[in-house]
Amino acid sequence: DQQVKQNSPSLSVQEGRISILNCDYTNSMFDYFLWYKKYPAEGPTFLISISSIKDKNEDGRFTVFLNKSAKHLSLHIVPSQPGDSAVYFCAARTSGSRLTFGEGTQLTVNP
Amino acid sequence: NAGVTQTPKFQVLKTGQSMTLQCAQDMNHEYMSWYRQDPGMGLRLIHYSVGAGITDQGEVPNGYNVSRSTTEDFPLRLLSAAPSQTSVYFCASSYGPGRGNEKLFFGSGTQLSVL
Repeated sequence: DQQVKQNSPSLSVQEGRISILNCDYTNSMFDYFLWYKKYPAEGPTFLISISSIKDKNEDGRFTVFLNKSAKHLSLHIVPSQPGDSAVYFCAARTSGSRLTFGEGTQLTVNP
Repeated sequence: NAGVTQTPKFQVLKTGQSMTLQCAQDMNHEYMSWYRQDPGMGLRLIHYSVGAGITDQGEVPNGYNVSRSTTEDFPLRLLSAAPSQTSVYFCASSYGPGRGNEKLFFGSGTQLSVL
């Protein structure tokens, strides 16, 4: 039972344009959501997060949107840069518990 | 400050062999965990620990053992390796509950092949 799903295995965008990565979840008990970025041969690194009591969180070029009624969150990267090319994982947490990760989306930003 | 250190980076085993993946963190984190990454399946939790002497099973614990004798170390043991355990393994740590424990810090991974 995949509680966190990233339906797009890959995404390709042009440098300078917006990248939108999507994530859907099924467990309404999730109270905190995170995005991680992973480069090849490295561990994932934390990127940005959002609490379930908010609908938007922004950090520089990165913005995460949460739509609780649709059980959907998205990560927007504006403007996209070639260095953003990586695998992006969304993750969700139930209160006081561990993280459940999605399958990941490979983002490629073309110069 | 090294963060989360995993050894080895690469390992090849034969079916039935045993081995231990090492994980150490120097951030005084209470929470430590092991994940495996497989194509198309994301990161799946194997075992986790909320403090020294306390461990619990995650999503895919079968075939793996863990122990937590110190705050710093959280080794993962494969008692009898199987080809299905071929994967990339990540150790991760964070502060305890109520202290931002959701922000995991990951090691660089161990690529394991079981022939």
